[in-house]
Amino acid sequence: DTEVTQTPKHLVMGMTNKKSLKCEQHMGHRAMYWYKQKAKKPPELMFVYSYEKLSINESVPSRFSPECPNSSLLNLHLHALQPEDSALYLCASSPHGPYEQYFGPGTRLTVT
Amino acid sequence: GIQVEQSPPDLILQEGANSTLRCNFSDSVNNLQWFHQNPWGQLINLFYIPSGTKQNGRLSATTVATERYSLLYISSSQTTDSGVYFCAVDPTRFSGGYNKLIFGAGTRLAVHP
Repeated sequence: DTEVTQTPKHLVMGMTNKKSLKCEQHMGHRAMYWYKQKAKKPPELMFVYSYEKLSINESVPSRFSPECPNSSLLNLHLHALQPEDSALYLCASSPHGPYEQYFGPGTRLTVT
Repeated sequence: GIQVEQSPPDLILQEGANSTLRCNFSDSVNNLQWFHQNPWGQLINLFYIPSGTKQNGRLSATTVATERYSLLYISSSQTTDSGVYFCAVDPTRFSGGYNKLIFGAGTRLAVHP
C-alpha cells in the first residue's frame, strides 16, 4: 500500500481563523514533507521531518506551524494567513534514504 | 542551486501519437522522479529513476546521469494522459535520510481524441 491521505480535501478560512491540515501514512516511512503549490507552478518544499524531528524549514513564515506527533502523522497548523497563501498543500512521505517520495491528494486552501 | 529545466513547456497530441519529454539538470543528483499531476491535483508517481532505463506499460524513462538529463517516453497516447508531467531531483550529497526534491516547471500535455 503506497497511500498517503490528507484531510480536509478543501478548506476555506478567513484571515483571523486557526485551522489545521492533517496528513497520514502507514507505510513505515520515516521522512515526511509539506509542499505548497500555487496555480500553474511546480510544488515547492516547505518542511521536512525525519524521524519526527524537523530537519528542513525553507524559510516559511511563522503563520505556518508544522507538527509531527508520531511517525505516521504530520500536521500543518495555520494561523493569521493571507490571501496569497491560497494554494494546494501537498504532503509526501519516503523511506529513510534517497528514495522515492509518495504524495497525498492535497488540500486546496482558500484564504478569504 | 541546481537548475531543472523541462521541455517542451506545452504539448498537444492527437490520441495514438508518441511523445518524448525532456528534463535537464545542472548538477549531479541522488534521486530523480517523474510525476503526472492529474486535473484534480494528485501527483502520481511514474518513475523513480536516478539512472538507467525503466518501462511501465506505454511509458518508459531513461536517465543519463553523467550527461545530466532524463527522458520520459509516452507511446500510443490516450486522453487520460493529459495533465502536467513533472521531473523532480534531489541534489543533496548527504540527505540525512530524506530527499529534498526540486521540481522542474513541468510539461503541460493535452491529448485530443
